[in-house]
Amino acid sequence: EVQLVESGGGLVQPGRSLRLSCAASGFTFDDYAMHWVRQAPGKGLEWVSGISWNSGSIGYADSVKGRFTISRDNAKNSLYLQMNSLRAEDTALYYCAKAMGTTFFDYWGQGTLVTVSS
Amino acid sequence: QSALTQPASVSGSPGQSITISCTGTSSDVGSYNLVSWYQQHPGKAPKLMIYEVSKRPSGVSNRFSGSKSGNTASLTISGLQAEDEADYYCCSYAGSSSLIFGGGTKLTVL
Repeated sequence: EVQLVESGGGLVQPGRSLRLSCAASGFTFDDYAMHWVRQAPGKGLEWVSGISWNSGSIGYADSVKGRFTISRDNAKNSLYLQMNSLRAEDTALYYCAKAMGTTFFDYWGQGTLVTVSS
Repeated sequence: QSALTQPASVSGSPGQSITISCTGTSSDVGSYNLVSWYQQHPGKAPKLMIYEVSKRPSGVSNRFSGSKSGNTASLTISGLQAEDEADYYCCSYAGSSSLIFGGGTKLTVL
């Protein structure tokens, strides 16, 4: 059974940093691209970032480019999102998602909540 | 990167059919047959319903279908059922390893 478990969310002050993790199991992690998608409270889904199976191809939404860094450790079956210079508008539930064919998501975690507030 | 445009809400009665549109540009929806659709019930993670414009994952009812014309993709749900009431999001590849979602559509089953 595929499982994606996010962690690392919490309350953080504007301008500070946070690192999210996603532990994957139930599939061959290094065969698939992985993504982060977020959802602000009461709002829609927003793609944040994606990384190919070998980290050779990485993309970011304009809203986070230069502040967020996605990475993965295939030996640990883990996906990460380093978030720097956090802003109030980054407040959201952050989902880890497994990609099928790189451009769509067949499995999602339950999300980890990031709240940016002073 | 502006969000793809979806109607904020649609509604239909049980047994009817509804269609949700998703309008992008020639840089995203219009350029790639890489549109997917997700269903999200309150408090739950999204669920893949359609990928690559019109393909259905195993386990998804054949009442759900997708299509695309030009810069607009569409999701059609036939034979509406109460459990179809949810938020629906489209998503398209936008080039340069980036993706973009629509703003979401709330489906109400009357």
